[in-house]
Amino acid sequence: DSGVTQTPKHLITATGQRVTLRCSPRSGDLSVYWYQQSLDQGLQFLIQYYNGEERAKGNILERFSAQQFPDLHSELNLSSLELGDSALYFCASSGSTGYNEQYFGPGTRLTVT
Amino acid sequence: AQSVTQLGSHVSVSEGALVLLRCNYSSSVPPYLFWYVQYPNQGLQLLLKYTTGATLVKGINGFEAEFKKSETSFHLTKPSAHMSDAAEYFCAVRRSQGAQKLVFGQGTRLTINP
Repeated sequence: DSGVTQTPKHLITATGQRVTLRCSPRSGDLSVYWYQQSLDQGLQFLIQYYNGEERAKGNILERFSAQQFPDLHSELNLSSLELGDSALYFCASSGSTGYNEQYFGPGTRLTVT
Repeated sequence: AQSVTQLGSHVSVSEGALVLLRCNYSSSVPPYLFWYVQYPNQGLQLLLKYTTGATLVKGINGFEAEFKKSETSFHLTKPSAHMSDAAEYFCAVRRSQGAQKLVFGQGTRLTINP
């Protein structure tokens, strides 16, 4: 158990809809990262937040957005969903000391029908 | 820019045999290197990491990896495979300074034959 929690575990929705994925980092970790894992693209970095502020952006679509709240949990919002958005979405967290190893949650499997 | 290449999307070994999973990286700055393992329907678990210092690093479950700068490689090995090692393995790189995002290889699926 990494200490990172993600909800829900599974999500099935229709094209055009909007969903919110939630992540709670390990206790004390200030950084949260979102990654997408799909068969054709592999594991790709989407976005990083540090203590409530956006820190880095990767291959995140304009239809996707994220935020980190004062209690450090984070949400990834996916809108106008397309079939190609079906994937596993992982959240990871890291501390501000040491080498900032990232610890991953169990993921949310999104299926768009 | 950084990138990772994992040679072999599938590797199959017999139980008790040596496991060797290959990873080559490209990085414009000194890298930090990681191996993660993903069991079916689970998240990624950190196996080991190289940051600075000793180039041979030991991880969990008997795995180790050696950072070879001249070869830009970070291959993962285990002397004797166990059935429980069957999983997908990902090599990842990130910058030692600045951006902390991980760049992953495509993964290697390890199968253990009894």
